[in-house]
Amino acid sequence: EAAVTQSPRNKVAVTGGKVTLSCNQTNNHNNMYWYRQDTGHGLRLIHYSYGAGSTEKGDIPDGYKASRPSQENFSLILELATPSQTSVYFCASGDPGAGNTLYFGEGSRLIVV
Amino acid sequence: AQKVTQTQTSISVMEKTTVTMDCVYETQDSSYFLFWYKQTASGEIVFLIRQDSYKKENATVGHYSLNFQKPKSSIGLIITATQIEDSAVYFCAMREGPGYQNFYFGKGTSLTVIP
Repeated sequence: EAAVTQSPRNKVAVTGGKVTLSCNQTNNHNNMYWYRQDTGHGLRLIHYSYGAGSTEKGDIPDGYKASRPSQENFSLILELATPSQTSVYFCASGDPGAGNTLYFGEGSRLIVV
Repeated sequence: AQKVTQTQTSISVMEKTTVTMDCVYETQDSSYFLFWYKQTASGEIVFLIRQDSYKKENATVGHYSLNFQKPKSSIGLIITATQIEDSAVYFCAMREGPGYQNFYFGKGTSLTVIP
């Protein structure tokens, strides 16, 4: 059974609209991450969290906010979506007892038109 | 400069043979962790195997094993008895430093297993 699940899996949004990508994990890991994957850039870290109530900026946080209301849930929020945010987004949880091995969700494909 | 480099863009092998994918990394830390991930055609990213830098023994999980050559900063992934379903993109990754966010990924090697 999938331990990291994302929703929605596919989303088309309009420029200037608000988008929320949700992630739920049943691994009971403190650490959670949001990455985007683009051809030519690989996986890039947007935001991460060390536990409920904490969010930290990753390497490319501009235009994104994050929310971690509980151990299980971590959301990525695009307040004003732009076409440059068209991408595939991956959530992951990290197991600190195993070198912080990342376990990824299925990915969310976002198209901003 | 890239911290994790995979020089092989794509590899094709015959089914049931052994394949090795290369990865070199760059770090000043004395303790670090190395990972291999597989991304399937559906886009799913799956963790395969991990090597802790302080361990001398090469990690092995199922038909995946690692060739860890610390003096060369190299961590190769070996897949034995390849199957069609091993066709995917394989990423090498490194985590270093005290922070849990310091993950670096290679650009990936696309493996095609030919029946």
